[in-house]
Amino acid sequence: GENVEQHPSTLSVQEGDSAVIKCTYSDSASNYFPWYKQELGKRPQLIIDIRSNVGEKKDQRIAVTLNKTAKHFSLHITETQPEDSAVYFCADGGATNKLIFGTGTLLAVQP
Amino acid sequence: DGGITQSPKYLFRKEGQNVTLSCEQNLNHDAMYWYRQDPGQGLRLIYYSQIVNDFQKGDIAEGYSVSREKKESFPLTVTSAQKNPTAFYLCASSIVRNYEQYFGPGTRLTVT
Repeated sequence: GENVEQHPSTLSVQEGDSAVIKCTYSDSASNYFPWYKQELGKRPQLIIDIRSNVGEKKDQRIAVTLNKTAKHFSLHITETQPEDSAVYFCADGGATNKLIFGTGTLLAVQP
Repeated sequence: DGGITQSPKYLFRKEGQNVTLSCEQNLNHDAMYWYRQDPGQGLRLIYYSQIVNDFQKGDIAEGYSVSREKKESFPLTVTSAQKNPTAFYLCASSIVRNYEQYFGPGTRLTVT
């Protein structure tokens, strides 16, 4: 069935360093790949997304890359700041208008 | 953060009681979703609805029920048949075929 694997489950970086989170999906019909950020006790919020006709998308310090052949996509955060500390979820949107979420990555940015 | 609301923020119930969680949106979205989130885990889909008067089971629908009588509202009932109901429940909505989902603030349900 549909499945999204997300790695790593936890990630600790020094302020100013880069962070990379990777997800692998199984559904070849998937064509939408969003990333959500969830701060402690808060709702998930979309930070960036990419569709299957694009290989990379950037928004300031955040970028997402997609490799459709290998069925994986990654979130890149550069120049990390303490306020980037949160749980990040990838998701995979197929033909059914429902998202399959990864299990999340707890990112800790050490000042 | 307006647009999609959930109430209450915290809910406490005794085991064996049914409880209904509210979700309302004024974004004119056709699709609405209910997720369950347990500590250290991702978002698991309970039910979703793509149009009024229609809904589909997600991955963990057992012990839950929903209704979609109005476009703006998608209440979730946690029944006594749900074995482990204590969790954080999130409602979301999206424009059909656009995929981006907007989440409500969540309801933390504790059953003792």
